[in-house]
Amino acid sequence: EAGVVQSPRYKIIEKKQPVAFWCNPISGHNTLYWYLQNLGQGPELLIRYENEEAVDDSQLPKDRFSAERLKGVDSTLKIQPAELGDSAVYLCASSLELISGGASNEQFFGPGTRLTVL
Amino acid sequence: GNSVTQMEGPVTLSEEAFLTINCTYTATGYPSLFWYVQYPGEGLQLLLKATKADDKGSNKGFEATYRKETTSFHLEKGSVQVSDSAVYFCALSDGFGAGGTSYGKLTFGQGTILTVHP
Repeated sequence: EAGVVQSPRYKIIEKKQPVAFWCNPISGHNTLYWYLQNLGQGPELLIRYENEEAVDDSQLPKDRFSAERLKGVDSTLKIQPAELGDSAVYLCASSLELISGGASNEQFFGPGTRLTVL
Repeated sequence: GNSVTQMEGPVTLSEEAFLTINCTYTATGYPSLFWYVQYPGEGLQLLLKATKADDKGSNKGFEATYRKETTSFHLEKGSVQVSDSAVYFCALSDGFGAGGTSYGKLTFGQGTILTVHP
């Protein structure tokens, strides 16, 4: 079974330029997450989708960041314009969340996109 | 809000040494607890989990026990190998609840770098 796929793996851009990251979750997973991981820190949630609906975007800086998951499968995260402080690893994860409740199911992570803003 | 605190790193050990990485948490309700591992150049992988108090998660010789009274989830391994060298993250999830935006969100510690020498 293929894991979570992300592209590109690495991206170097100049500040004020736009950039986009793509994520394809594990087939059948209804929930998709974008996390930001700064150097030496743990990941922090940016946005969570249940199918095509963004159900938690409270940590997404909406002045420059946007995301979409139009068909409830793959997703794109965009930054426009990028700033120096956006240099980090952007992680995508997916899970199959059960409506019936209970303990949270496992989130599967992709390898991440390492962004460098010059 | 929720938070996870891991012991300061990095940790350097000789092969076959005993490993402990401390993790304490602050959360409302009854979170699920996780240890994730990140090998060089790879994505985060779930190492083990525990979903209620006194549960012990175990995998690949690693163990951690969910201690509600001390709000801790320390990671242990009796005999580490060179191949265990990685970054280890403790995390918690609110899991499922009656609505709310924390559904399925993972809160991570800052990570602990483990290096094992032959």
